[in-house]
Amino acid sequence: EDQVTQSPEALRLQEGESSSLNCSYTVSGLRGLFWYRQDPGKGPEFLFTLYSAGEEKEKERLKATLTKKESFLHITAPKPEDSATYLCAVQASSIMRFGAGTRLTVKP
Amino acid sequence: DTEVTQTPKHLVMGMTNKKSLKCEQHMGHRAMYWYKQKAKKPPELMFVYSYEKLSINESVPSRFSPECPNSSLLNLHLHALQPEDSALYLCASSQLPTRDRVLNTEAFFGQGTRLTVV
Repeated sequence: EDQVTQSPEALRLQEGESSSLNCSYTVSGLRGLFWYRQDPGKGPEFLFTLYSAGEEKEKERLKATLTKKESFLHITAPKPEDSATYLCAVQASSIMRFGAGTRLTVKP
Repeated sequence: DTEVTQTPKHLVMGMTNKKSLKCEQHMGHRAMYWYKQKAKKPPELMFVYSYEKLSINESVPSRFSPECPNSSLLNLHLHALQPEDSALYLCASSQLPTRDRVLNTEAFFGQGTRLTVV
């Protein structure tokens, strides 16, 4: 069965303190790995799709990378407005399965 | 335009009520989804529609009844719900992954309907 595990469960950073979030997965025939940001009470906001090992994508302070077993979301010099839950999801067929998420808090 | 619109934003209903959640997208996506999300948990898949046909039902109780009237609309009919059904209900849409197309299959989500069953 497809599995997605995110770590850490929660992360507190000072403004400007760079870090990485991890998403490890086991899936047969990965079609895509997705990163989303979710603010409380809102729907997930799409950030990145990664399709193959070695692929990298960037958007502002965020950079996502993919290997055959895991993906990292690197956050460089985060700001308080980056505080949110970051969700990783994998797609093997027509179903997208989510990890439990990492709750990120960035303090000024 | 990557917008998925859900109505209503908030809904309070009694256990004997019948209500419907609505979802609309105009991105030409032929896959539409309903997810349920409890507090501090990830979204859980409920239903998948492909080309307006129900393709996946993740063993959802029959008190939840999905409907896809056309390629842009998705409804979720609610009847005789329980308090434990209170949650954020999310609609999403995407292009369908096929053997020939593996790119651009990310799902776009609406802002959800916050449902409270009393």
